[in-house]
Order: sequence, then structure tokens, then C-alpha cells
Amino acid sequence: AQKITQTQPGMFVQEKEAVTLDCTYDTSDQSYGLFWYKQPSSGEMIFLIYQGSYDEQNATEGRYSLNFQKARKSANLVISASQLGDSAMYFCAMREGTNAGKSTFGDGTTLTVKP
Amino acid sequence: ETGVTQTPRHLVMGMTNKKSLKCEQHLGHNAMYWYKQSAKKPLELMFVYNFKEQTENNSVPSRFSPECPNSSHLFLHLHTLQPEDSALYLCASSQGTGRPLHEQYFGPGTRLTVT
Repeated sequence: AQKITQTQPGMFVQEKEAVTLDCTYDTSDQSYGLFWYKQPSSGEMIFLIYQGSYDEQNATEGRYSLNFQKARKSANLVISASQLGDSAMYFCAMREGTNAGKSTFGDGTTLTVKP
Repeated sequence: ETGVTQTPRHLVMGMTNKKSLKCEQHLGHNAMYWYKQSAKKPLELMFVYNFKEQTENNSVPSRFSPECPNSSHLFLHLHTLQPEDSALYLCASSQGTGRPLHEQYFGPGTRLTVT
């Protein structure tokens, strides 16, 4: 079974509007972390935001926020006030356990911001 | 230099060649990773090193041979590759142990083409 599911292969959003990228995960571990990365066409993976399984508050980093719903096992990324530079591939990832444990990435969502 | 660097950025090699990919991190991290990113496939974790010790090998063929001489450097030695090994190879690092589930910082990747 896939551990990280991103159901939206591609998304479009108008500049300055907000967009939500979906991510659901599957794990039996109690301790895990959820991450979102951005990959522009240049190829580099850029860390955006992190949510720990025990964190009670939803994580926020500037225009990025993570809508964490633990019971539903979802960790959606919300980008507010989209900018043209936000056009990229976005990956949801999960790491289970402690130390340098296994990482699992979703298939990614391609976001295109329209002017 | 800062962050995670990878060399070369592009590599074209024949199936009988031997080459090495190099990754260096300047972040003081303890854990380093190799990922393979093929077109239309999710990011695949290949190897994990924590304090120079290999902790994960996700059933990677022996034609890929990692080497981690210290916590700052990670190599991927390549020999007798196949055309299906053509992909973007990403190196990442994280703090690893201590506070669990640190985010990973990625290098720009090496675009490998096997002819």
C-alpha cells in the first residue's frame, strides 16, 4: 500500500489566490514527521514546512501552512497569495520513527500559477 | 560554499564506464542520503548513512556502490549501469539523531544519462 498519496497530478491557481495541495498518509507508527518540499524546474528540492505527529498546532511558515488532520491522516499544504514563482512540483513526504529513518515521498503535484 | 553541493551536475556515461557522483554538505549534519528520481515515478530512497554508517539500503542493485568517508561527504560509485538507470540523483542531509525527524536539505542533483 502506498504510504503517501497525492491525488492531484496537476493544479492551477490564479496569481494572488490561495491553493490547497492534498496529501494523505498511512502509518502505524505513533511518532512520525510530515514534510512538504518544492521542486522547481531546476531540480533542487526545497524544504518548505514540517509537521510532527505530536504537534498540536498546525505548522505555518510564511505563506505556507499545513492543515494537519491526524484522525483523517491528512496533511494538506495551503499556499496563500500565490505568486508566479510558486509554479513548481510539490512533494509530500513522511519519515517514520527516530534517527535517520526511512523517508517516503508522494508522487508529487505540479502547481501552475496563472498571471 | 553553503548547503548541500553535488558534482557533477550532468553526466553522460556508457554502460561499460565507471564514474562517481559526489555530495558534500556544509551544514554540520550527521545523516546523508541518496535518492533516485526518475521521470513519472516517485522519489526513491536508495541509501541512508548516519554518522558514516549505512543504515538503509533499499534493495539497490550492486552496480550502485555508496561510500561515506565522513559525515560531510557522500559518494555514489557507478559501474556497468543500464539505460533505465538514467535519472536525477539527489543527495540530501539532515541532523539525523538528537531531535527526531529533522527535515532534509537537498542538493541540486546530478542528471545522469546512460547511453
